[in-house]
Amino acid sequence: AQTVTQSQPEMSVQEAETVTLSCTYDTSESDYYLFWYKQPPSRQMILVIRQEAYKQQNATENRFSVNFQKAAKSFSLKISDSQLGDAAMYFCAYPFSGTYKYIFGTGTRLKVLA
Amino acid sequence: DTGVSQNPRHKITKRGQNVTFRCDPISEHNRLYWYRQTLGQGPEFLTYFQNEAQLEKSRLLSDRFSAERPKGSFSTLEIQRTEQGDSAMYLCASSLVRLAGGYYNEQFFGPGTRLTVL
Repeated sequence: AQTVTQSQPEMSVQEAETVTLSCTYDTSESDYYLFWYKQPPSRQMILVIRQEAYKQQNATENRFSVNFQKAAKSFSLKISDSQLGDAAMYFCAYPFSGTYKYIFGTGTRLKVLA
Repeated sequence: DTGVSQNPRHKITKRGQNVTFRCDPISEHNRLYWYRQTLGQGPEFLTYFQNEAQLEKSRLLSDRFSAERPKGSFSTLEIQRTEQGDSAMYLCASSLVRLAGGYYNEQFFGPGTRLTVL
């Protein structure tokens, strides 16, 4: 069965520094997507970045990038030049093939220190 | 605003009462999902619709829960005889899935309805 694990309940980073959030997953599928979502306090969840498993190149969106290791089933999120607005819960998500329902990790709360 | 909307945003009810939540997805989206999120946890899948058809229900969705999506537009989630364990954030998400090709499926989330059962 597919599972998603985020082993860091909370992380802190100084403003303008870089932080990496970890995510591991388990699946028997070979072709899939992975997502990182951000959930700010009392606000709705928004997509940060997506990765296609068949693409070897790591996805990048401005200050956000991933380190995707397919063989190790690892999908970490790197946030560069952290800003106060990056403070939020971050969830790693895996969509089931067919239904595309998401399995989420338990989340990492990111605190950004001024 | 063309995003996903949910009403009400907050609901406080007494144990045993019935509650109904509404979700309005992005208009052209054919898939609609409901998730439940408790404090300190990631969202858990409850059910989803392809247009008006409810295609899967999680075992988390007891007989007290029912969801509908009439005419493939908005959706409602009803909880009958609420229990304190039902207290959670209920999230709705929608997406456009093209079954003819492509696996890409980004879900767009609403702000959620926070339910408190006293």
